[in-house]
Amino acid sequence: EVDLVESGGGLIQPGGSLRLSCAVSGFTVSGNYMSWVRQAPGKGLECVSVIYSGGSTHYKDSVKGRFTISRDSSKNTLYLQMDSLRAEDTAVYYCARGPSPVTRWFDPWGQGTLVTVSS
Amino acid sequence: EIVMTQSPAALSVSPGESATLSCRASQSVSSNLAWYQQKRGQAPRLLISGSSTRATGIPARFSGSGSGTEFTLTISSLQSEDFAVYYCQQYNNWPGTFGQGTKVEIK
Repeated sequence: EVDLVESGGGLIQPGGSLRLSCAVSGFTVSGNYMSWVRQAPGKGLECVSVIYSGGSTHYKDSVKGRFTISRDSSKNTLYLQMDSLRAEDTAVYYCARGPSPVTRWFDPWGQGTLVTVSS
Repeated sequence: EIVMTQSPAALSVSPGESATLSCRASQSVSSNLAWYQQKRGQAPRLLISGSSTRATGIPARFSGSGSGTEFTLTISSLQSEDFAVYYCQQYNNWPGTFGQGTKVEIK
């Protein structure tokens, strides 16, 4: 059965750091494109980072230099290291499979973890 | 960046009726358009890709159409479990951008 379970969210002060994790079962993280998609309160969805199956990475401009996406094949887990956090980073963060060059959508998704950046 | 605009922002529909949701792209995305359903407190779920191809397990009452810049999601004979927020996503330009969502509410 396919499942993605995020963890690591919480309340953090501006300028602080958090590391999100996404434990995956049912397929391999390293064999797929994997993304972090966030949803700010009352807002829509935006893809903030992607890691390709080959290991290259992509970041949305607003998080470039502050966020780092990575994976651990032995744990079949995806990570998002978030540094220099800002109030505007407050959101529910979802991990999702995709978008690959073939299936260019996001499917499936995890349940999400809430990150609140506030003093 | 391609901007996706969904309308209306909210839609009140009685169970058993149909709902028509619209999604417009700021430039042509061909048929590279997906729809997702998000119920309160849950993760988004893929409904449709390629503008009109239902994902595995999605009931036939969900149908998508359109190409270029104008797209429609139609939900026929709404069931109680269909009341949710629906998002469109273009993937013509990688990694894709989402609309702001349409909330389908019970009338």
